[in-house]
Formats: sequence, C-alpha cells, structure tokens
Amino acid sequence: GQNIDQPTEMTATEGAIVQINCTYQTSGFNGLFWYQQHAGEAPTFLSYNVLDGLEEKGRFSSFLSRSKGYSYLLLKELQMKDSASYLCAVLDSNYQLIWGAGTKLIIKP
Amino acid sequence: DVKVTQSSRYLVKRTGEKVFLECVQDMDHENMFWYRQDPGLGLRLIYFSYDVKMKEKGDIPEGYSVSREKKERFSLILESASTNQTSMYLCASSPPSQSTEAFFGQGTRLTVV
Repeated sequence: GQNIDQPTEMTATEGAIVQINCTYQTSGFNGLFWYQQHAGEAPTFLSYNVLDGLEEKGRFSSFLSRSKGYSYLLLKELQMKDSASYLCAVLDSNYQLIWGAGTKLIIKP
Repeated sequence: DVKVTQSSRYLVKRTGEKVFLECVQDMDHENMFWYRQDPGLGLRLIYFSYDVKMKEKGDIPEGYSVSREKKERFSLILESASTNQTSMYLCASSPPSQSTEAFFGQGTRLTVV
C-alpha cells in the first residue's frame, strides 16, 4: 500500500528552528508537496520538490532524498503565527496526491 | 486574488437527507477535487474532475456523487447523509499540470445528526 508518515505533533520555542520529517512509500514518485494549514482554514502551498536537495524560500526550506523516501520541512526563526499543521503530500505514478495526516506544530513563547 | 469558494462553512443535516456542497473557483482551472479531512487521517480524495462533465472516483467515493456542469463549479452530493459522513470537506482546484500547487477552499464542516 501507499503510506506517508509524519509526526503527529511537535512543540518548539519562538525564535528557534524546527525540522518536520516526512517519510513515504508510494507507487512511483512525481514530486512532494508541503502545505501549511492553520486551524479552521484552508491548506496553503509552501513548497514542491521533485529533485534531490534543499529548496530554500525565506524562513522555510524543504529537503528531498528520493533514494531514502524522505523529506523534511525546516522552519527557522519561528514566529507564533507558524503554529499550524504541516501537511506532506506525494504525487504518485498516476499523478494522484497521497497525503500524510499532518504534523501539528505548537510554538511556545 | 485567486479564490476557491465553498458555499457554506458549517452545515448541520439530518440522517437520510440529500446534501449539496458547492464549490466555485475563479482561476479557470481544469482540475477540481473534493476531499474529506478527519482527525488523524490525511486528506482523502472523494472525487475529482479534469474537465466539464467529466468525473473520476477517488479513494472513498461510496455514498457520494459529483456534478460538473460548468468549468468553474464542482458540486459534491451526499445522496442520503449518514453520521459517518460527519467531517470537514475541502474543495480544491489546480491547472492541468499535476506538479503545480492546488488551491483550496476554506472548507465545509458538515455534521450529520
């Protein structure tokens, strides 16, 4: 079967750095997405990786290793507004998105 | 500003009722999707559409149907609502290229009593 694993919940301190991991086992791979979802709101796009390596976008970076079936989202200089759920999703060989259950990130002052 | 709009934020319906969830996008996207989101589970695809009048079953289509009579509108229908269909329903749209981001509506929280 197809599977996306992410931690259920993480806690970090304002101003710190946090890394949210995502491992996947899917039938084929055509890219990996990260979305942010604040409570009660729609998911919004953060990043897309299809090649190995690190993609940096401001305070947020996303890393992919296709050989390991692994990605992480790195958030730097954490702010209270970063408290949200972070969703990992993989595009499989049929170009269908397979979603992880999401990681709820709690930021403490 | 690009927009996907769902007709209701909150709905309460009775068991056995026919329920319509409406979704409209203003980005001229070909692809539209209906997901449900439940605690502890990833987004699960109910139905999707790649064009007007076209529909494909997702992972959990049972108990649902869809309609896409116009490009901008994608409707989800619960033929006879049941309590296990209580959930958050999210509509999304995207351009034809599958590797581009999807844009989501704000969600409809449906409670079936």
